[in-house]
Amino acid sequence: QSVLTQPPSVSAASGQKVTISCSGSTSNIGSNFVSWYQQLPGTAPKLLIYDNNERPSGIPDRFSASKSGTSATLGITGLQTGDEADYYCGAWDNSLNAVVFGGGTNLTVL
Amino acid sequence: QLVQSGAEVKKPGASVKVSCRVSGYIPTDLSIHWVRQTPGKGLEWMGGFDSEDGERIYAQRFQGRVTMTEESSPYTAYLEVRGLMSEDTAVYYCTTASGMPDLWGPGTLVTVSS
Repeated sequence: QSVLTQPPSVSAASGQKVTISCSGSTSNIGSNFVSWYQQLPGTAPKLLIYDNNERPSGIPDRFSASKSGTSATLGITGLQTGDEADYYCGAWDNSLNAVVFGGGTNLTVL
Repeated sequence: QLVQSGAEVKKPGASVKVSCRVSGYIPTDLSIHWVRQTPGKGLEWMGGFDSEDGERIYAQRFQGRVTMTEESSPYTAYLEVRGLMSEDTAVYYCTTASGMPDLWGPGTLVTVSS
């Protein structure tokens, strides 16, 4: 049981937009920055978003994110088959004194 | 860039030590964290070095069973897990971290089997 809650799977058609939600509490998302990670099949996770909505260099602006209260959302526009992956949210938790992750969301591009 | 040691197969009760060598530019405030991923499951943070206060932080469930250390030249981080159980079968990732994990190593598969 993950501390942060994500939907197990989402799907959308190629070229369309999809959003992935991440729900937490006041001790994690409500108090700290959220990061998002993309894990392509058979590879290590890769940082997509940090500090709630900042993209590292090299990450296209098709990827965006926001945070409101104790929830965060990742958005991907112009979906491509190469976007098929597992997506994880993460944040520091002040009560657990640990980094916590969501259970991951598997994205299928139809 | 992070280069991790190769896959390991261990028996229950044994220990394993995974290494993570950092190449390229090494900032003075470098922090290395460790995250594991069990088969078919999500990510689990194990702990890391907090460069702000110079202390290592371990996730509560791993305290007493895990040790994280670093050597400076070449910069190499180590994760030792003792008292291995079948549930410890996982891919172990080292990551650089500025608060949260950012750059990830390729992972080291540790299989615990009798």
